[in-house]
Amino acid sequence: DIQMTQSPSSLSASVGDRVTITCQASQDISNYLNWYQQKPGKAPKLLIYDASNLETGVPSRFSGSGSGTDFTFTISSLQPEDIATYYCQQYDNLPPITFGPGTKVDIK
Amino acid sequence: QVQLVESGGGLVKPGGSLRLSCAASGFTFSDYYMSWIRQAPGKGLEWVSYISSSGSTIYYADSVKGRFTISRDNAKNSLYLQMNSLRAEDTAVYYCASFGACTNGVCYNGYFDYWGQGTLVTVSS
Repeated sequence: DIQMTQSPSSLSASVGDRVTITCQASQDISNYLNWYQQKPGKAPKLLIYDASNLETGVPSRFSGSGSGTDFTFTISSLQPEDIATYYCQQYDNLPPITFGPGTKVDIK
Repeated sequence: QVQLVESGGGLVKPGGSLRLSCAASGFTFSDYYMSWIRQAPGKGLEWVSYISSSGSTIYYADSVKGRFTISRDNAKNSLYLQMNSLRAEDTAVYYCASFGACTNGVCYNGYFDYWGQGTLVTVSS
């Protein structure tokens, strides 16, 4: 099975800061990598699909890049409403579908 | 608008059974692949099961294989998860989510684009 790791596990940043989260797959997954945002008590929300495609309606301050085993998720200018946990998810050669352990983002 | 509404969660004893339902509206349910994903309290997301749009292809996570059964009724726009031999480690919020679709010969899959609000399953004596 493909294992996903994320770093950092948590971070604290100021409003307006650039925030970067990395996700690494245990083997090559091409661009079969998605990013989700989950706010407390809510269902996850798709932000980025296929590594770099912004889901409709998602603010352009969110972006993703990468391919193969190494991926990056960026918030270009952190806003108070971005406080959440962010998960990567791979879907190469399923099953299984696997998620990263998550990165909790809060405001400094 | 698109809506997925889960129901059927609750408190059940270890070894017991529960059937979750997910009612879909606002989209052509029969075009969509569907999944169940769970989240234990304070933990991350864990994919549980997948079913193709016709129901012909089904996958399970190893942690639930042989105990859980996914099914769908396209006439009723509904997805189900029959959970048997429940264990304490099955305690979680269970979400149903869409996982892509084929419409007019154009297909996409791989990401969970629509989610329900979740239903809590607690396995405890």
